[in-house]
Amino acid sequence: DSGVTQTPKHLITATGQRVTLRCSPRSGDLSVYWYQQSLDQGLQFLIQYYNGEERAKGNILERFSAQQFPDLHSELNLSSLELGDSALYFCASSRGGRTNYGYTFGSGTRLTVV
Amino acid sequence: AQKVTQAQTEISVVEKEDVTLDCVYETRDTTYYLFWYKQPPSGELVFLIRRNSFDEQNEISGRYSWNFQKSTSSFNFTITASQVVDSAVYFCALSEAFDYGQNFVFGPGTRLSVLP
Repeated sequence: DSGVTQTPKHLITATGQRVTLRCSPRSGDLSVYWYQQSLDQGLQFLIQYYNGEERAKGNILERFSAQQFPDLHSELNLSSLELGDSALYFCASSRGGRTNYGYTFGSGTRLTVV
Repeated sequence: AQKVTQAQTEISVVEKEDVTLDCVYETRDTTYYLFWYKQPPSGELVFLIRRNSFDEQNEISGRYSWNFQKSTSSFNFTITASQVVDSAVYFCALSEAFDYGQNFVFGPGTRLSVLP
């Protein structure tokens, strides 16, 4: 157990729908990162939050949004889902706001859009 | 911008063989950090090692060893006496000093299959 908790583990939904993925960081970690892993795109950085504030943004679609709450858990909202959004979504956390110590990853949420 | 290349897309070996996974990186910074992660078939990403750019000592952890060579911008990973449980996708990653998430760069990964 890495200490980073992601729920749900699996999600199947229809095109056009909206889903929310949840992440609880490791105890003491202030940063949360979201990644998308699809078969043909590798690990794509989506967004980073540090202590409730957005810190960095990657190639996150406008249909996707995220936030980090005062208790430091984070949610990734995906709306108007398309078949191409099917992927493994990872959350990771780190103690500080910088990446030089690397991340601890959660076990991921596998999203299937049908 | 920094870049990580893992030229080997897939490798297959027979159990007990040694195998080396290559990682070549590009960065303009003199201070940076290199990482290896393992993704077994179950899907989770497991941290293996972190190395900073000032420490070129090779590291050994059981059957795993890492060879960091700044002269060739490489950070290769060797598994000695491979086992079936080593079958996974392995990612090399690079972070420049004091960077944010968008600059933590993963390589495309190498899929290792260890056959019994």
